[in-house]
Amino acid sequence: ILNVEQSPQSLHVQEGDSTNFTCSFPSSNFYALHWYRWETAKSPEALFVMTLNGDEKKKGQISATLNTKEGYSYLYIKGSQPEDSATYLCAWASGGTSYGKLTFGQGTILTVHP
Amino acid sequence: KAGVTQTPRYLIKTRGQQVTLSCSPISGHRSVSWYQQTPGQGLQFLFEYFSETQRNKGNFPGRFSGRQFSNSRSEMNVSTLELGDSALYLCASSLKSGGSSGELFFGEGSRLTVL
Repeated sequence: ILNVEQSPQSLHVQEGDSTNFTCSFPSSNFYALHWYRWETAKSPEALFVMTLNGDEKKKGQISATLNTKEGYSYLYIKGSQPEDSATYLCAWASGGTSYGKLTFGQGTILTVHP
Repeated sequence: KAGVTQTPRYLIKTRGQQVTLSCSPISGHRSVSWYQQTPGQGLQFLFEYFSETQRNKGNFPGRFSGRQFSNSRSEMNVSTLELGDSALYLCASSLKSGGSSGELFFGEGSRLTVL
């Protein structure tokens, strides 16, 4: 069984704090790594899709890095705001017979306190 | 442009019944994927359709099936419902095959309760 692990499971921070989460995935047969943000009562929304080892992507105060050789990705939020409170999901896409399938981690629940 | 639309949003069924859920993707998207979320579980992949062909299927029993029409709309069906099928079913569409470098656009989900 090929698992995607996210840590921590949950995180409480104060407004203005910077934070980061980890996503670990199998390093073999890597195709892409996705990050999604899921706010309560809404649909998951894509943040980043990364395919190349060493990729770094940024959207506003959120950024992500990718290491496909060791099988991990980091998501960073600089200066967290209460509106950043959400569940952050990563998902691993592999090639071969699993093409078309995304394997999601359990998510990191972020709560930003004003 | 309109997002991914799922119907119905909420439904209640009893054990043994069957259910059909519908998903209309974003216009121009040919890939539709289905995911199940139950309490304590992450999003579990059900299947993906691309241009009316099932590209991949997750580890679910044969009671779970789906199809995609020529206009890219997709339906999934669950027969002989069990209590454990109670879940949020999410549909996602994508320009490219869902597991590739194309991001997924999710609908709001269909919440199924089996009594």
